[in-house]
Amino acid sequence: EPEVTQTPSHQVTQMGQEVILRCVPISNHLYFYWYRQILGQKVEFLVSFYNNEISEKSEIFDDQFSVERPDGSNFTLKIRSTKLEDSAMYFCASSGGGTVYNEQFFGPGTRLTVL
Amino acid sequence: AQSVTQLGSHVSVSEGALVLLRCNYSSSVPPYLFWYVQYPNQGLQLLLKYTSAATLVKGINGFEAEFKKSETSFHLTKPSAHMSDAAEYFCAVRVYSGAGSYQLTFGKGTKLSVIP
Repeated sequence: EPEVTQTPSHQVTQMGQEVILRCVPISNHLYFYWYRQILGQKVEFLVSFYNNEISEKSEIFDDQFSVERPDGSNFTLKIRSTKLEDSAMYFCASSGGGTVYNEQFFGPGTRLTVL
Repeated sequence: AQSVTQLGSHVSVSEGALVLLRCNYSSSVPPYLFWYVQYPNQGLQLLLKYTSAATLVKGINGFEAEFKKSETSFHLTKPSAHMSDAAEYFCAVRVYSGAGSYQLTFGKGTKLSVIP
C-alpha cells in the first residue's frame, strides 16, 4: 500500500542552524502539507502546497520556514535558523485531490530537537 | 473559526470494556470530522470520517462514531477494548484552505490505555 515517508526520523541540531526535513508523498497526490506537534500539545497546521506554490499557511509559518518540491517526488520543509521552540514532531501529509473530502495521508513524522 | 475539543487527555479502560473518547466541535458550517489514531512511533492513521452522509460512521478496527448536531459532538466508541487499541487518538475538523486544499484542525489528543 502506498505510504508517505519522512526522513530523518530524528534530527538533533544546535540553535541557529538550518535544518531540512524531507518527505516523499504518495506518488499520484497533488496536495502536500506540513503539520507539527510540540510535545504535549495539539497537532498544528503549518502549510499547504499545491501546483508548486503555497496555498495556505498558518501564523506559525513565518519567514524562517520555507517549503519546496525540488523534484517530482520530494517535498521539503526548511527552517533557516532554528530556535528552541521549534523542537517538535513534524508531520508531512499528502492528499489526492479530485475527491470531496481529500483524505490526508500522514507520514510517521520527524522529531526535531533543537539544543 | 472551526475547532474541536477533546475531553480527557488520558483514558484507561479494562480489556473488553467499552471505549468512549469524547470530541466536541465548533463550526459555523456543516463540518467534516475525522478521527485519527497514532500508535507509538508511527504516523497518524485515519480511523473514520464524517462527511455529512450517515450520522453513524463505522471505521477500522471496530471503532465507530456518531455525529450529533444537537450536542455538537462526534464521540468515538468501541464496544470491547483490545490491548492493541492502546494509542493516542485525535479528533479533527476539516477547514478549507483555498485552491482545493484543506487543512485539518486537531484536538489535543486522548491517550488510551488498556488494562489487561
